[in-house]
Amino acid sequence: KNEVEQSPQNLTAQEGEFITINCSYSVGISALHWLQQHPGGGIVSLFMLSSGKKKHGRLIATINIQEKHSSLHITASHPRDSAVYICAVESSTLVFGAGTILRVKS
Amino acid sequence: IAGITQAPTSQILAAGRRMTLRCTQDMRHNAMYWYRQDLGLGLRLIHYSNTAGTTGKGEVPDGYSVSRANTDDFPLTLASAVPSQTSVYFCASSDPGTSREQFFGPGTRLTVL
Repeated sequence: KNEVEQSPQNLTAQEGEFITINCSYSVGISALHWLQQHPGGGIVSLFMLSSGKKKHGRLIATINIQEKHSSLHITASHPRDSAVYICAVESSTLVFGAGTILRVKS
Repeated sequence: IAGITQAPTSQILAAGRRMTLRCTQDMRHNAMYWYRQDLGLGLRLIHYSNTAGTTGKGEVPDGYSVSRANTDDFPLTLASAVPSQTSVYFCASSDPGTSREQFFGPGTRLTVL
């Protein structure tokens, strides 16, 4: 079993829909990261959180440490949100999930 | 330079050849990392360096070596490339003293034939 599991693997949404991507992990962590990888390949950090909830624009990330689970939500989705979303957990180094491929259709 | 750069952008290499992937950052970050990304497997850590002069092994270090002579540069060397090292390689950096957010380079696409 992988240390970091993401679901779904693939997600297709219609523009305007509310999107949720889930991340479960099995190890003790000091923080959890959400990253975005665009079709061109570039990777950017979206959030780093160790408790509670963070919001940036239309993106919201939550984490439940007791349940070892995090979610990334996108409100009012747009085609430009199409990307791979990657969850990574931090202990001594980062361990990454396989990513969720999101496609938002107009 | 703004941020973190990698060179080359892509490379096709014959098996058995030696290859060095370059990574340079201008953010004065102490920590640097090399990852490989393979379809379905996600990013995996090859080697890391917490500060200049020190390096450590990650999850998949075999066949790779690194050096950290100064803060800015963190080259990754494949001494004798094999086809299983065909991958996209990402360098990243972070400053653990302030924020543990990692900043990624644009990647190097390496094909070993």
